[in-house]
Amino acid sequence: GENVEQHPSTLSVQEGDSAVIKCTYSDSASNYFPWYKQELGKRPQLIIDIRSNVGEKKDQRIAVTLNKTAKHFSLHITETQPEDSAVYFCAAPGDYGGSQGNLIFGKGTKLSVKP
Amino acid sequence: GAGVSQSPSNKVTEKGKDVELRCDPISGHTALYWYRQSLGQGLEFLIYFQGNSAPDKSGLPSDRFSAERTGGSVSTLTIQRTQQEDSAVYLCASSLRGTIGPEQFFGPGTRLTVL
Repeated sequence: GENVEQHPSTLSVQEGDSAVIKCTYSDSASNYFPWYKQELGKRPQLIIDIRSNVGEKKDQRIAVTLNKTAKHFSLHITETQPEDSAVYFCAAPGDYGGSQGNLIFGKGTKLSVKP
Repeated sequence: GAGVSQSPSNKVTEKGKDVELRCDPISGHTALYWYRQSLGQGLEFLIYFQGNSAPDKSGLPSDRFSAERTGGSVSTLTIQRTQQEDSAVYLCASSLRGTIGPEQFFGPGTRLTVL
């Protein structure tokens, strides 16, 4: 089955700096890679995702890159703001490359943005 | 429209007791997932229902855990003979069936404390 590793577990940056979180996966058939953000005491919410047919996707200050050969993908947050402070989870499909929706999550990265 | 709801929001029980946790998915969502989140940990997949198919129980940690989904909608996660290590937040999510990675919408979770 799929195995997802996420690094770092904690990340502290100054407001305005960039933050990068990296994940690796094991199943070469995986074709969908979402990122979820969980603010303190709240439920996880999808912030961005990428399909395997593209190498990069951007949405304002956040972007995700995918390297299928190396089986890793990364979340990039530019011009960080205090409201970006949260735990971020990467994920990959848990079965058959993503045809059924089941996800395996990384252990999360706690991002702290210091004003 | 209404999001995913879960009840109770908090549950305190004594070791050895059985507990039932309820999840109401978004109307029309055919897929339903249960995850467990221990303090400071990631999202651990427990069980997954997709339409009328047999559920994927591969994530259940022991035979004390079981789940049902009635009428393709409401789901109940049951933990028998609870142990202290079962203490965690139990999150439910639902999604539309999709060919690649439908977004999972999470409920607010049930915080279970086993004394």
